[in-house]
Amino acid sequence: KQEVTQIPAALSVPEGENLVLNCSFTDSAIYNLQWFRQDPGKGLTSLLLIQSSQREQTSGRLNASLDKSSGRSTLYIAASQPGDSATYLCAVRTPGYALNFGKGTSLLVTP
Amino acid sequence: GAVVSQHPSRVICKSGTSVKIECRSLDFQATTMFWYRQFPKQSLMLMATSNEGSKATYEQGVEKDKFLINHASLTLSTLTVTSAHPEDSSFYICSARDLKAGSSTDTQYFGPGTRLTVL
Repeated sequence: KQEVTQIPAALSVPEGENLVLNCSFTDSAIYNLQWFRQDPGKGLTSLLLIQSSQREQTSGRLNASLDKSSGRSTLYIAASQPGDSATYLCAVRTPGYALNFGKGTSLLVTP
Repeated sequence: GAVVSQHPSRVICKSGTSVKIECRSLDFQATTMFWYRQFPKQSLMLMATSNEGSKATYEQGVEKDKFLINHASLTLSTLTVTSAHPEDSSFYICSARDLKAGSSTDTQYFGPGTRLTVL
């Protein structure tokens, strides 16, 4: 059974800092990996999707990397802003098409 | 991008009553929809996979008689929580799979979620 772990569970940084969120998974046989943002009491916003054949994806200040062989992904956020405060979820898609989610990293960016 | 809606966004009910949650894909056809549940400070846990026109596949530990899923059309799946109890209070999120013809990849789109509170 695929297990997805995210470290750290919570992170607080001052505005302007660059930061890295980590995600690891136990079964490397994945179709893709996706990073989501979830605001309190809200649904999910997809940030980046990396196919299993890709190494990284970029969108604005966000960059996600994937090392399938080692079962790791990182989400890099450049020049963090208070509006980036949210919970970031990593999810891995395995055969069967459902997504396996980590517990998330709760990010607080202080002004 | 593709849009998935859920209704209602929030519901409060008494213990013992049943609650129906709708999940709709608004601009694409979804042969497969997924239902997730999220408890406070926990991650999303898959409850069941719903395929249009067939019975849903439930994850281990999820009672199929308590969580009734119907996927009668390519744009609508419903989750009915029967005889709800306070421990069923949670955030329920659906997702819909958009498989484009001729594409080797597909994407899941998530609804905004439904907050269920059982008193």
